[in-house]
Order: sequence, then C-alpha cells, then structure tokens
Amino acid sequence: QKEVEQNSGPLSVPEGAIASLNCTYSDRGSQSFFWYRQYSGKSPELIMFIYSNGDKEDGRFTAQLNKASQYVSLLIRDSQPSDSATYLCAVKSTNAGNMLTFGGGTRLMVKP
Amino acid sequence: EAGVVQSPRYKIIEKKQPVAFWCNPISGHNTLYWYRQNLGQGPELLIRYENEEAVDDSQLPKDRFSAERLKGVDSTLKIQPAELGDSAVYLCASSRTSGVSSYNEQFFGPGTRLTVL
Repeated sequence: QKEVEQNSGPLSVPEGAIASLNCTYSDRGSQSFFWYRQYSGKSPELIMFIYSNGDKEDGRFTAQLNKASQYVSLLIRDSQPSDSATYLCAVKSTNAGNMLTFGGGTRLMVKP
Repeated sequence: EAGVVQSPRYKIIEKKQPVAFWCNPISGHNTLYWYRQNLGQGPELLIRYENEEAVDDSQLPKDRFSAERLKGVDSTLKIQPAELGDSAVYLCASSRTSGVSSYNEQFFGPGTRLTVL
C-alpha cells in the first residue's frame, strides 16, 4: 500500500465547474498536508497547505482535511482551462522525519 | 528573489556513462533536497541536506549515486555508472529549514531531465 494515494485520472471537467481532487494517506502521525500543481514539463509549485481538520479557502481553491478518515481533498471552483495540470498531494509527518511524501498525482483537464 | 537553479536542463547519455547534476538553492535556505520523479509519478526523495550534512539519504542508491553539498550552498548529484532505469527528472528543492510548519515551504527548481540510452 502506498503511503499517499491519489487517483491518477485524468479528471475531466467543463470550464466553470467544480473540480474535486482526492487524496488518502496511511500515516496517522501526519501533521501537515500540501497540494502542489505541476504543469507538464514544469516543476511542482505549492498552491495550498492545511494543518487542521476542516476547510481552508484561498481564492478559488479550498482544501479539506479529515484526519479521522485520513483524507484530504482539493476543490477548485470555477475551473479554468489554465487549471489543467497534475495536482500532487504531499504529506509531512514527524514519523518520516518531517519529509514530504508525495502521491502519484491526479491529472486534471478543464475543457472550454 | 531568484529561484532554485539547476543545470543542465536536459541530459542524454548512454548507459554505463557517468552524469552529474548541479543545484543552486535559494539564498538563505539551509535545507536542500534532491528528488527523482519518474513519468506519471510524484517526486521521491533521494537525499536531504541540512547545511553541509546529509541527514536523510535512505532512498539514495549508494552503489551508484553520490551527492555533496560543499560549504552548505550548491549541491551536486552524481550517477556512476548510469543505468536505463535512471531515466527520470531529477528535481532539486530548497527550504529555510525542514520543520513541519508551512514557513518551511519547499521551492522546486526546473529539474534535469535525464535520458539513458
């Protein structure tokens, strides 16, 4: 079992819709959770992080964390074609020396 | 503020040849990371440096991979000899420290795409 799991996709949504990206993790000692966006051929860039259970909103992005279910998600409202990219979930745990463990990423395609 | 710099951006070599990648982190960042990203997968940590000290290299294939970070700034990752399975993107990242808070956000360089023929 992978430590951080994501559906590889592609997830296809129409422009203007809400894109929902999901991630599960296995280490209950995980403390912080990150969403990175990676355009094709580019390096990952951080778009959201969350530490506490519940929702955290930043513009069109909302991160949701449920530690009891070991589940973190990213919602993208009013999806734009420019949001088309691979979204990487990453988890940091003191059990792993505070290192980031990445999931395999979900490819999102927003169709005009 | 300049970002993480890596070179070369692309490298094509034949198997059994040596190859080296260079990384210059963001100024003031004490922690430097080397990741390997295979196609369609997330980055996997190879080694982490706190200043000059390698503090997490459990995923580094030590029979063929080596790394150094002289003077706690620039770093070099070397593969000798390269194998077909080493084809991947090698990403360097840096952060102020490696604690759990978001203050320690990792910033990634553009990566080096290695192709081993």
